[in-house]
Amino acid sequence: GAGVSQSPSNKVTEKGKDVELRCDPISGHTALYWYRQSLGQGLEFLIYFQGNSAPDKSGLPSDRFSAERTGGSVSTLTIQRTQQEDSAVYLCASSNGRGGPETQYFGPGTRLLVL
Amino acid sequence: GNSVTQMEGPVTLSEEAFLTINCTYTATGYPSLFWYVQYPGEGLQLLLKATKADDKGSNKGFEATYRKETTSFHLEKGSVQVSDSAVYFCALDAGGTSYGKLTFGQGTILTVHP
Repeated sequence: GAGVSQSPSNKVTEKGKDVELRCDPISGHTALYWYRQSLGQGLEFLIYFQGNSAPDKSGLPSDRFSAERTGGSVSTLTIQRTQQEDSAVYLCASSNGRGGPETQYFGPGTRLLVL
Repeated sequence: GNSVTQMEGPVTLSEEAFLTINCTYTATGYPSLFWYVQYPGEGLQLLLKATKADDKGSNKGFEATYRKETTSFHLEKGSVQVSDSAVYFCALDAGGTSYGKLTFGQGTILTVHP
């Protein structure tokens, strides 16, 4: 079946612009996660959704970052007024959300470059 | 807080060599432990996992045993192949209020030469 998909695969933007990154989880997966992979910081957790609710936003680096999920499916991660330090690969993952230690299935990522 | 420390790489081996990538963790409670792999040009994928002490996860010839007494989850393979060249990440899920939030190690780059 279809895996997690993300779009765009690559995004180049100018400092100060807003960007939106999209994630389509595996059908039926109620849990969705965003991570960031950068050279300096490794893989960092950003935010977690169960359904449309985000019980854990602890990893969002600043108030320029926000995320939403609608219909228990697609999620968008928005970065406002992008900065060069936002350059990274943004990864989305989903899991079945049934509880217990779950396997997270990752998408291919969106590579963001802020000039 | 929770953390994962991985053996620094890169690791370069010849085909059929024995592989160990060390991973130790710090966590409150009883975390679940994972190894994820990222092949060149591909996304992260689960390699194996263990959910309680003394569990052994295994897949594709790789093994790792959850050792609570040493807070370790070292990855091993008896005979590596060129196709095992990838970046390997150790990770934990601390559960409880941190449920679903994976904490990753820095990753270890493995290159296997013919």
